[in-house]
Amino acid sequence: NAGVTQTPKFQVLKTGQSMTLQCAQDMNHNSMYWYRQDPGMGLRLIYYSASEGTTDKGEVPNGYNVSRLNKREFSLRLESAAPSQTSVYFCASSERRAGSTEAFFGQGTRLTVV
Amino acid sequence: QKEVEQNSGPLSVPEGAIASLNCTYSDRGSQSFFWYRQYSGKSPELIMFIYSNGDKEDGRFTAQLNKASQYVSLLIRDSQPSDSATYLCASDNAGKSTFGDGTTLTVKP
Repeated sequence: NAGVTQTPKFQVLKTGQSMTLQCAQDMNHNSMYWYRQDPGMGLRLIYYSASEGTTDKGEVPNGYNVSRLNKREFSLRLESAAPSQTSVYFCASSERRAGSTEAFFGQGTRLTVV
Repeated sequence: QKEVEQNSGPLSVPEGAIASLNCTYSDRGSQSFFWYRQYSGKSPELIMFIYSNGDKEDGRFTAQLNKASQYVSLLIRDSQPSDSATYLCASDNAGKSTFGDGTTLTVKP
């Protein structure tokens, strides 16, 4: 199925461990995003990439790094996980087309840091 | 003050009624505005996008934008129980998106 694929779906980390969340889209979108969503809250932008080769900080970038590997893939790395990074992480891609916009989200990664 | 504010709700309407969801934003540099629907435990789904002042209609959904008042709204006509979800308002400034905390809508049969 076309769309945004995130891996893994669930992850438990110990404080101080590192991990990389993978995201790939097959819709030829230029823009990709990483968000986190805490209970009862909206999404907060961590990093975004407007096009292949560019990345920019969002609202809450501290403790994260990203790589736009190519047009399809945008990964998020936690170098030293902290309990405050327990959250649901969503990857998304979007494209502005002829006066409209399409945007799709991955299914989310539920991360728990203990 | 959050950059994007939504009525926290919850909002409850009877089936067939009009549901009205409101959002205000503080960043005057925001150019585009979005409404997403998110069912519990699921990913957000884009339902409306608007960037010009006025109304934009798509089926039972109408988005309204007033840049002078920094106000965005979403009207859902003929509400159905399947519309019960959390609705997220978002603004975009040159690719940097900001979301409100969402309004939970319940449509009662």
